[in-house]
Amino acid sequence: GAGVSQSPRYKVAKRGQDVALRCDPISGHVSLFWYQQALGQGPEFLTYFQNEAQLDKSGLPSDRFFAERPEGSVSTLKIQRTQQEDSAVYLCASSPQGIDGYTFGSGTRLTVV
Amino acid sequence: SQKIEQNSEALNIQEGKTATLTCNYTNYSPAYLQWYRQDPGRGPVFLLLIRENEKEKRKERLKVTFDTTLKQSLFHITASQPADSATYLCALDMGTGRRALTFGSGTRLQVQP
Repeated sequence: GAGVSQSPRYKVAKRGQDVALRCDPISGHVSLFWYQQALGQGPEFLTYFQNEAQLDKSGLPSDRFFAERPEGSVSTLKIQRTQQEDSAVYLCASSPQGIDGYTFGSGTRLTVV
Repeated sequence: SQKIEQNSEALNIQEGKTATLTCNYTNYSPAYLQWYRQDPGRGPVFLLLIRENEKEKRKERLKVTFDTTLKQSLFHITASQPADSATYLCALDMGTGRRALTFGSGTRLQVQP
């Protein structure tokens, strides 16, 4: 597609509920990243995929967070047993192979109540 | 630990003037540095990338400098316009060949007409 698409745009979850956030990167982009952004802060790295391989998951804050990209295109970030501190904007970005700027999606705003 | 600092206070300037934003970092030896623009409710948009062996990069009204001795990057917008009002984020690679970026918390620029 023309850009990185994320869905849903907004998600309200009750504490303890599981959520799944979807990212559709730019077609052909090898690299895919997930970031978490709190209000007034810069994005914080969660995890990185090169094609279908998850090469870096050092930013995932707990084992409740899980990401996958099974066919090397669409990716899903899953958060189990959501907590209030998980409330944030979750951003997905993709980039071609090699060092280049990222193209970000508009994000999913998750609110845990 | 690695740290990136950007002016947390908003920068207010008059239309037509040059805006200069600062990004300082410590405990890093980044191979490259990137600047992004972020508007409210949107994902960051890539502006410029500068590598460690480059002193300066330009793109239209934008100019970025990278001083690895001072551990500082300056981002300039010449002939600023109200449409340039946004938050500007600097980001550095995490080093040791990792593809992920670490972002600063951003500086909000307000250009007054």
